[in-house]
Amino acid sequence: AQKVTQAQTEISVVEKEDVTLDCVYETRDTTYYLFWYKQPPSGELVFLIRRNSFDEQNEISGRYSWNFQKSTSSFNFTITASQVVDSAVYFCALSGGNQGGKLIFGQGTELSVKP
Amino acid sequence: DVKVTQSSRYLVKRTGEKVFLECVQDMDHENMFWYRQDPGLGLRLIYFSYDVKMKEKGDIPEGYSVSREKKERFSLILESASTNQTSMYLCASRPPGDRTEAFFGQGTRLTVV
Repeated sequence: AQKVTQAQTEISVVEKEDVTLDCVYETRDTTYYLFWYKQPPSGELVFLIRRNSFDEQNEISGRYSWNFQKSTSSFNFTITASQVVDSAVYFCALSGGNQGGKLIFGQGTELSVKP
Repeated sequence: DVKVTQSSRYLVKRTGEKVFLECVQDMDHENMFWYRQDPGLGLRLIYFSYDVKMKEKGDIPEGYSVSREKKERFSLILESASTNQTSMYLCASRPPGDRTEAFFGQGTRLTVV
């Protein structure tokens, strides 16, 4: 069975701190995709990034970076120099292996960035 | 601009009522999903549909049913609402394939009293 675990329920940081959100996944499939979504207070989930199981290159997009490590089944998300606008709930998700297109989500991490 | 629209942002219903949550997408996506979001539990899949009139149970289908008569519309039905169905409900649509991103509606916060 597929599973995504985000062990950090809530994180609180002060503006300009770096913060890492952890994501650990379980799957028996060799081909799969991992995603990160952001849910701001408005409620609508916003897609941030996708990674496939064959691409372990880390990715950086502005203040955001992602570290994918198949050896530890982790896909962690780091925000550098956090800002108040980064306050949101962040979800990690997994898709793959004849699951009919289902996205399996983790529990979410609520990030609070204080000024 | 792609869009998934849920009919209500907030809804208050009484125990035992039949409740309809509507979702419409304008992207011609085959796949549509209903998730329930609760604190500490993340998003849990209730039902999904991969084509018109086709549906599959997700992880927590009990107490819910769905309808997909047209490609763009996916309805979630609470046959007899109960207080433990008080939650945030999120609709999503997605093209076929595991690599595609899903697009979400703004959510419906349902309170059953």
